[in-house]
Amino acid sequence: DTEVTQTPKHLVMGMTNKKSLKCEQHMGHRAMYWYKQKAKKPPELMFVYSYEKLSINESVPSRFSPECPNSSLLNLHLHALQPEDSALYLCASSRDHILERFFGPGTRLTVL
Amino acid sequence: GQSLEQPSEVTAVEGAIVQINCTYQTSGFYGLSWYQQHDGGAPTFLSYNALDGLEETGRFSSFLSRSDSYGYLLLQELQMKDSASYFCAVHGSGNTGKLIFGQGTTLQVKP
Repeated sequence: DTEVTQTPKHLVMGMTNKKSLKCEQHMGHRAMYWYKQKAKKPPELMFVYSYEKLSINESVPSRFSPECPNSSLLNLHLHALQPEDSALYLCASSRDHILERFFGPGTRLTVL
Repeated sequence: GQSLEQPSEVTAVEGAIVQINCTYQTSGFYGLSWYQQHDGGAPTFLSYNALDGLEETGRFSSFLSRSDSYGYLLLQELQMKDSASYFCAVHGSGNTGKLIFGQGTTLQVKP
């Protein structure tokens, strides 16, 4: 299994809602990542988890809260988002920080 | 910090060869990667260079010159399905997991 899965595929939420994005991989990778991507722009790193511990937070606003319940799962909890947070949210994993990232298909988020 | 420069757009015809250049500035360097992303899709890994020289994988090759802080992706025998965005990405210092992407090059392959 060389796949990273993400749910949901699409999400529309209001600015007062609380929602969560989920990511799962069964490749035994110990590094997992959240990226945000706006249209026609490169993926922008948000968080890095290494061995289930948060190792990098790229100054992401606290309305985004990551969680790594176990080595296969990564969540991103969303609360009080702004319309400018609308983007494609990509999860990725890798066996090592240097090796290739395997990206999931992403969750396309729209904040109204 | 890190910064990368690559052309924003490249157009070529089917069967041709195209080279996408990437120059980078980084404090610490662990290698240069290339990713492909089709419209509406996720980035997929193409290649990784940690040492100077050429790496070949089928129709795609990638080159790195660390002394020049420069690399390129070479695509041969272009096919319509190669139309996509191509990102160079640099692994920053300390092996921290920071993979920083360039702005991307949109390749359009015409018949």
